[in-house]
Amino acid sequence: DAMVIQNPRYQVTQFGKPVTLSCSQTLNHNVMYWYQQKSSQAPKLLFHYYDKDFNNEADTPDNFQSRRPNTSFCFLDIRSPGLGDAAMYLCAIANDQADGYTFGSGTRLTVV
Amino acid sequence: QQQVKQSPQSLIVQKGGIPIINCAYENTAFDYFPWYQQFPGKGPALLIAIRPDVSEKKEGRFTISFNKSAKQFSLHIMDSQPGDSATYFCAASSGQGAQKLVFGQGTRLTINP
Repeated sequence: DAMVIQNPRYQVTQFGKPVTLSCSQTLNHNVMYWYQQKSSQAPKLLFHYYDKDFNNEADTPDNFQSRRPNTSFCFLDIRSPGLGDAAMYLCAIANDQADGYTFGSGTRLTVV
Repeated sequence: QQQVKQSPQSLIVQKGGIPIINCAYENTAFDYFPWYQQFPGKGPALLIAIRPDVSEKKEGRFTISFNKSAKQFSLHIMDSQPGDSATYFCAASSGQGAQKLVFGQGTRLTINP
């Protein structure tokens, strides 16, 4: 069974129309990450939550926001998607007791 | 300092061959070096990882070689199969707690039958 579940798998949104991507986990890990991955590129960290503490990367545009209402769920909000925001968005989890991340299958975002 | 440089960008190997993917880093504080395998349309999956206290780690057909003095590590795939065709990412992080993995640029590996 999937431990990190991302919904939807595919999302098409209009230029400038707010969109929300969701991530849930079944392992109760305290750290959740959002990565952006464009075609043929490495994943790029946008931000992460360490428990309830939000940590933004310095180069993450203000257009990207996140919410973590509880341990299991985390959301990525894109307030005004541009064509350049089309990408795969990956959620990952980790905890203090073990190394490494577990990634979800990602949400492929298309902006039209 | 935070970069991890990965090569080659793409690699084609015949079935049964041993593809080798290399990574180099600058930050001496890095102490955890995982490799991820990613199939098209899927998220990366942890394949194997190593810490600097050993020079080699094997898990099945996958081996990491680590050279601390050269600040390099590599992935070897023994008896490669067409099903190993995927994109491979090396990564590195330091410390405990909320690790922030720094990824290499990825290698697209194709294993021909």
